[in-house]
Amino acid sequence: EADIYQTPRYLVIGTGKKITLECSQTMGHDKMYWYQQDPGMELHLIHYSYGVNSTEKGDLSSESTVSRIRTEHFPLTLESARPSHTSQYLCASSDPRDRGEKAFFGQGTRLTVV
Amino acid sequence: QKEVEQDPGPLSVPEGAIVSLNCTYSNSAFQYFMWYRQYSRKGPELLMYTYSSGNKEDGRFTAQVDKSSKYISLFIRDSQPSDSATYLCAMSPYNTDKLIFGTGTRLQVFP
Repeated sequence: EADIYQTPRYLVIGTGKKITLECSQTMGHDKMYWYQQDPGMELHLIHYSYGVNSTEKGDLSSESTVSRIRTEHFPLTLESARPSHTSQYLCASSDPRDRGEKAFFGQGTRLTVV
Repeated sequence: QKEVEQDPGPLSVPEGAIVSLNCTYSNSAFQYFMWYRQYSRKGPELLMYTYSSGNKEDGRFTAQVDKSSKYISLFIRDSQPSDSATYLCAMSPYNTDKLIFGTGTRLQVFP
């Protein structure tokens, strides 16, 4: 059973606001990821981390930033939200001992910027 | 051209049917193949995980990988309404951080 939690589940916010999407996992996984998912589209990796103080940008360019101060916590921040940021954001983690990126996902945050 | 192609569906079948879901891919370096199930408004849940070619069975689910044809399949036997979800294939090369997803196939199983 995967234990990875995202808050909030749903967020509607006005343009220009700063937001932080929270992601926590209790499995002790070093690797964590943020994916963006739009309806009918594949998941796109926007950020990932190998461990504390490690962050990398993914394949899809994103105006968001991430931090990894603790192993279990990988928050994503948007300094100034725009309608183009409306999407579902999925956090995931994996055990580096598992080859092939066997990722476990949170429930997602559905963000709407109005 | 996308690295992973998956028919988006929707695929609608009666309860008890055998369902076949498929993905094709172009990158011969892919070694690990996964199927995720995603219910509406939920995150993807890892369903099946296979390495290289061959079959893997888990209950009503069977995953097949044919690397020579660059084709993977997920079979669901005795499908149930609770199987109604979007099924995402995903794959990665050996020893890499890249996980490439298909767009997902929406499955509806009606009673």
